[in-house]
Amino acid sequence: GAVVSQHPSWVICKSGTSVKIECRSLDFQATTMFWYRQFPKQSLMLMATSNEGSKATYEQGVEKDKFLINHASLTLSTLTVTSAHPEDSSFYICSARSQREGMGYIQYFGAGTRLSVL
Amino acid sequence: QQQVKQSPQSLIVQKGGISIINCAYENTAFDYFPWYQQFPGKGPALLIAIRPDVSEKKEGRFTISFNKSAKQFSLHIMDSQPGDSATYFCAALNAGGTSYGKLTFGQGTILTVHP
Repeated sequence: GAVVSQHPSWVICKSGTSVKIECRSLDFQATTMFWYRQFPKQSLMLMATSNEGSKATYEQGVEKDKFLINHASLTLSTLTVTSAHPEDSSFYICSARSQREGMGYIQYFGAGTRLSVL
Repeated sequence: QQQVKQSPQSLIVQKGGISIINCAYENTAFDYFPWYQQFPGKGPALLIAIRPDVSEKKEGRFTISFNKSAKQFSLHIMDSQPGDSATYFCAALNAGGTSYGKLTFGQGTILTVHP
């Protein structure tokens, strides 16, 4: 299957600092990537859709100025959590969309980033 | 209407048994139904997927059964192994409207397979 790399896997930062998370599609081009947030023992919550070369579209209730998304190339999307606070601590997961013959578009997920804000 | 309801919330199965997880949806715009497996601290991994024009799909020990009229689909894990212990999510892909291309996830099922 297609490989999506997410980095870093775990980051600890002080309150008020910004953290950047990278999501790369390693063996395919992805014009569309997605960013999710997952709380312990809960399902994935879509935060935003990242489109190469254009602005991201955010889900209702997600602060676009706090969660900055940049999709500058067909293989890289970044999520920057600005002025992070303890309530932003969570597991962030990206996915990249790939078209598979006969199946349409499939999302492949990164390994996730555990963010802990002190 | 965007929801995908998944049950049970947790499931305990003996090694060699059959694990069955069920999902139901309302939105007829969904046209692709994947199942993901997630281990603690890892991202979801695509397990198996089905389109609504097919009633069943089998890949190894994993089978999806799909009932279009009832808007229900299920995952069957045959000969369950301790290594299958993980959280399983069903999902549905939206083929139209403002949510085009987005996945809606079920609530997840924590599967534990006892040796």
